[in-house]
Amino acid sequence: AQKVTQAQTEISVVEKEDVTLDCVYETRDTTYYLFWYKQPPSGELVFLIRRNSFDEQNEISGRYSWNFQKSTSSFNFTITASQVVDSAVYFCALSEETGANNLFFGTGTRLTVIP
Amino acid sequence: DTAVSQTPKYLVTQMGNDKSIKCEQNLGHDTMYWYKQDSKKFLKIMFSYNNKELIINETVPNRFSPKSPDKAHLNLHINSLELGDSAVYFCASSQFQGATDTGELFFGEGSRLTVL
Repeated sequence: AQKVTQAQTEISVVEKEDVTLDCVYETRDTTYYLFWYKQPPSGELVFLIRRNSFDEQNEISGRYSWNFQKSTSSFNFTITASQVVDSAVYFCALSEETGANNLFFGTGTRLTVIP
Repeated sequence: DTAVSQTPKYLVTQMGNDKSIKCEQNLGHDTMYWYKQDSKKFLKIMFSYNNKELIINETVPNRFSPKSPDKAHLNLHINSLELGDSAVYFCASSQFQGATDTGELFFGEGSRLTVL
């Protein structure tokens, strides 16, 4: 069965610091998809990234970057020069080939950026 | 225009009542979902519909009945509400990528249900 572990329940950083949110996943499928979502205090879920298991290239989008390593089953998310607006709960999620259209979420990491 | 909209946003009701949450998406997607987020923020899928057809039905009490009148709408009806049903319910939609792929899910703003 699939599993997503976000071991960091809460993280606090001071504005402008870099922060990395960890995500470790388990799956028996060779084809799978990994996602990150942001849930700000207002409550909506905002899509950040989708990555399939065959694409191990790291991705950078502005201050956000993602490090996908199949060898360690990790899909970590780094925010560079954090800002107060980055304060949110961040969810990592997994969808397997054999269970497509079923997004299995981790328990989330609450990030607080202190001004 | 809101891509995925849910109503109501807040719902407070007594135990034993029946209530519905409506969801509409204007993205032209053909797959819609209901997720439940509990008090610890844990998100779990409840149902998924593709072109009005149920494709995922997780272990959810049969007091919960989804209805998809067309592919742009997926409503959730809950009978005989219980205290444990208190949660935030999220509707989402995505473009179906096939039986082995999962596209990006677009979520609504959530409907907070409180059962007293």
